[in-house]
Amino acid sequence: GAGVSQTPSNKVTEKGKYVELRCDPISGHTALYWYRQSLGQGPEFLIYFQGTGAADDSGLPNDRFFAVRPEGSVSTLKIQRTERGDSAVYLCASSLNGGRNTEAFFGQGTRLTVV
Amino acid sequence: GDSVTQMEGPVTLSEEAFLTINCTYTATGYPSLFWYVQYPGEGLQLLLKATKADDKGSNKGFEATYRKETTSFHLEKGSVQVSDSAVYFCALPVSSGSARQLTFGSGTQLTVLP
Repeated sequence: GAGVSQTPSNKVTEKGKYVELRCDPISGHTALYWYRQSLGQGPEFLIYFQGTGAADDSGLPNDRFFAVRPEGSVSTLKIQRTERGDSAVYLCASSLNGGRNTEAFFGQGTRLTVV
Repeated sequence: GDSVTQMEGPVTLSEEAFLTINCTYTATGYPSLFWYVQYPGEGLQLLLKATKADDKGSNKGFEATYRKETTSFHLEKGSVQVSDSAVYFCALPVSSGSARQLTFGSGTQLTVLP
């Protein structure tokens, strides 16, 4: 597609359930990022992929969060045993090569609500 | 560590008013600086960027100058329009190992009234 696509756009889940959030980056972009945006805040970094490997997962808040990118394109963010504090908008971005000054293109996000 | 501090909102202006949104940064070296915009119901979009000191980024009538001496990258527009209503984020790339993630300010909500 022309831009970064994220599905679903909205997800409501019960506390304790497992969720998967999908990101389809711009074709040819090797770098992929996940961010989390809480209400009234700027996006906060979660994890960065270069190709298939997670080059930096230092932003993941705890071991309930995990992300994969098995073929170097689509990525899935997985959250186990969801908690109400996980409610936020999860943003995915991709860039051509992950260079420090390279523009990152963002998807519209998945709004996760844990009830 | 590297960070940005952004003027808090919300900001409400009348159409054709002058806009300034302040952003200051702390960084190692001289990274590029970015302004992103988030229109209602849309994803973050790059508005403008500057790659080195004294550079001026500009787009859609918005401007921001990379000021090394004041470590600032304030966003300005001479005459805002209703369509400029959005949330604006200042950002800079940080290096952590092999990562090149962005660190963002907290965002400034701008509402322009007709």
